[in-house]
Amino acid sequence: DVKVTQSSRYLVKRTGEKVFLECVQDMDHENMFWYRQDPGLGLRLIYFSYDVKMKEKGDIPEGYSVSREKKERFSLILESASTNQTSMYLCASSRTLSNSPLHFGNGTRLTVT
Amino acid sequence: DQQVKQNSPSLSVQEGRISILNCDYTNSMFDYFLWYKKYPAEGPTFLISISSIKDKNEDGRFTVFLNKSAKHLSLHIVPSQPGDSAVYFCAASEDNRKLIWGLGTSLAVNP
Repeated sequence: DVKVTQSSRYLVKRTGEKVFLECVQDMDHENMFWYRQDPGLGLRLIYFSYDVKMKEKGDIPEGYSVSREKKERFSLILESASTNQTSMYLCASSRTLSNSPLHFGNGTRLTVT
Repeated sequence: DQQVKQNSPSLSVQEGRISILNCDYTNSMFDYFLWYKKYPAEGPTFLISISSIKDKNEDGRFTVFLNKSAKHLSLHIVPSQPGDSAVYFCAASEDNRKLIWGLGTSLAVNP
């Protein structure tokens, strides 16, 4: 079974802090994704990566950056956290970009105060 | 405008009966459809998928039906069990960079 592990289940940060969310997958998947989930808005793609050091913006990349230095690890960075970034953040990986399901981690609930 | 719609926010069924969750989409270019289950405080778990070349896919108690002419898919759970109580999301894509999600249907299976 694919395992996607997010390093923190809950985080509380202050406005203006730099925040790192870490994600590791153990199935040698090429593709990794960061989503946020908000009530009434569903899952929205922030960034994805299709290879080491390769990334593409998703639907809502503003205020975020990502890093993929190793195939198994994909980090989401909030350069200067703001209260509107309070959300559930979900990392996922997939074997291919077509006809291949995403496998999700358990999520990080981030609160920015 | 939502390209993938789950029109029922919630559904309640008796244990042992059939649960039918529905999903409508607008983009005829979608060629891959997925269903996920999500428990509170957990990430979505992949359940079952179907490619547009098929109209049915089964996996144990779960069956997904695709009606391309109606742009409609449904997930059938037979028999429903209390452990199936969760939020179910459908998603549709041309590729995973453009995976479009519904807002979910909360299923309650009553003992």
